[in-house]
Amino acid sequence: DMQMTQSPSSLSASVGDRVTITCRASQDIRHYLAWYQQKPGKVPKLLIYAASNLQPGVPSRFSGSGFGTDFTLTISSLQPEDVATYYCQKHENVPWAFGQGTKVEIK
Amino acid sequence: QVEVVQSGAEVKQPGASVKVSCKASGYTFSDYYFHWVRQAPGQGLEWMAWINCNTGATKYAQKFQDRVTLTRDTSITTAFMEMRRLNTDDTATYFCARDDDYNRDNALDIWGQGTTVTVSS
Repeated sequence: DMQMTQSPSSLSASVGDRVTITCRASQDIRHYLAWYQQKPGKVPKLLIYAASNLQPGVPSRFSGSGFGTDFTLTISSLQPEDVATYYCQKHENVPWAFGQGTKVEIK
Repeated sequence: QVEVVQSGAEVKQPGASVKVSCKASGYTFSDYYFHWVRQAPGQGLEWMAWINCNTGATKYAQKFQDRVTLTRDTSITTAFMEMRRLNTDDTATYFCARDDDYNRDNALDIWGQGTTVTVSS
């Protein structure tokens, strides 16, 4: 079955640090990869779609890259409000599987 | 403004069924799909299924194929998710989220607030 694998599962970084989260698909998904941010007790929020497109209203410190099976979400300068769990998701063909999530905390 | 509002929390006994609704407003209902995603307490997101709000076509994740049915009523711009034969492992928050039928590059851009379903005897 289709698998999306994120790493790391959690990380702790200082304010202003550059943070990178990776997502690997078990099959080629071309550019159909999205990233979501979920703060505790809140609804997931779309950050990036089609691997590298920033959703309107999302701060420019968030960026995405990748194609095929390997993808990256980068936060260029971590801010306190970025504390959340981040999920990748393939958004083409069933199932639209999610990665297991990466919890980001402030050191 | 664009809004998706889900029905309220449910408490069910094992073996029962639940039907959750997702009311859309502020956009053309039939131009989008609705997906359903669930999240067990303290766990990650799990994709369940989608429905094309124009045609009513559906697709399900294999594990939900036999127990979940998605429907929609275009006259009231509402999508529904029914799950049968509930067990305690189905205790979760269930989200609906829309997906643009005319922009296949887009993902799940607007989410409902979530509906908590608790299965307990």
